[in-house]
Amino acid sequence: EVQLVESGGGLVQPGGSLRLSCAASGFSFSNYDMHWVRQAPGKGLEWVSAVGTADDSYYADSVKGRFTISRESARNSLYLQMNSLRAGDTAVYFCARAKYSSTWYYDYWGQGALVTVSS
Amino acid sequence: EIVMTQSPATLSVSPGERATLSCRASQSVSTNLAWYQHKPGQAPRLLIYGASTRATGIPATFSGSGSGTEFTLTISSLQSEDFAVYYCQQYSSWPPIFTFGPGTKVDIK
Repeated sequence: EVQLVESGGGLVQPGGSLRLSCAASGFSFSNYDMHWVRQAPGKGLEWVSAVGTADDSYYADSVKGRFTISRESARNSLYLQMNSLRAGDTAVYFCARAKYSSTWYYDYWGQGALVTVSS
Repeated sequence: EIVMTQSPATLSVSPGERATLSCRASQSVSTNLAWYQHKPGQAPRLLIYGASTRATGIPATFSGSGSGTEFTLTISSLQSEDFAVYYCQQYSSWPPIFTFGPGTKVDIK
C-alpha cells in the first residue's frame, strides 16, 4: 500500500526556517517525481515545488530562492527546506507522488503538515 | 502562464441529483487535465486524469470530458460522501509545473 506521511510542521516566526519531511512507503520511491502542494487557510491548492528522479528541481515563483526541495532515496524521503518564511507561507503542506500516463497527475497524497508563520 | 478558472464557485445540489462542474484553461492544455476531490482534513483524492479517464477505484458516477480549454466533471447522482471541494489541475511541460483551478464547492441543498 502506497503511503506518504508528512512531518515537521509547526509554528515559526516570520523570517524563520522549517524543514518538512515526507516519508514514502509501498512503492519504488526513486522511480517517481515528487511534489509539494500547499493550501493556505480558506484557499485552494497551490503547487509549490517538484523534484525529478534525476534530482532536477522546480519551484513556484512565490517560493523561489527561499525554499529548497530535496530527496533521499536511501531513506525513501522527500524534504522541503523553508527559509525566510512569511505570513503568506502559512498553509497545510502536502507531499504528492506524480505519475505519468499520457499526462501528469498526482495519484497519491499525504495527509498534510500544518505550517504557521506568526509572531 | 496558463490560468485555470472553475465555475461555479459553489454548487448546491440535493442528494441523488446530477452535478456539472466546469473548468476552463486560459490556453489549450489538450487533455492534460485532472480532477481531484478534497474534503477538510483529508488528503486530496484523484478522480479523473487525461480529462476523461477515471482513476483506480473511482465509481462510474464520476465522469470527465473536454479538451483544449473547456472541461467538465459530471457527478451523475450525488451521494452524501460526494459533498466536497473539487479542483481541476493542468500540467504544462515548460515550465514543468502543475496549476490548479480555484475549486468548486459542492454542498447540500
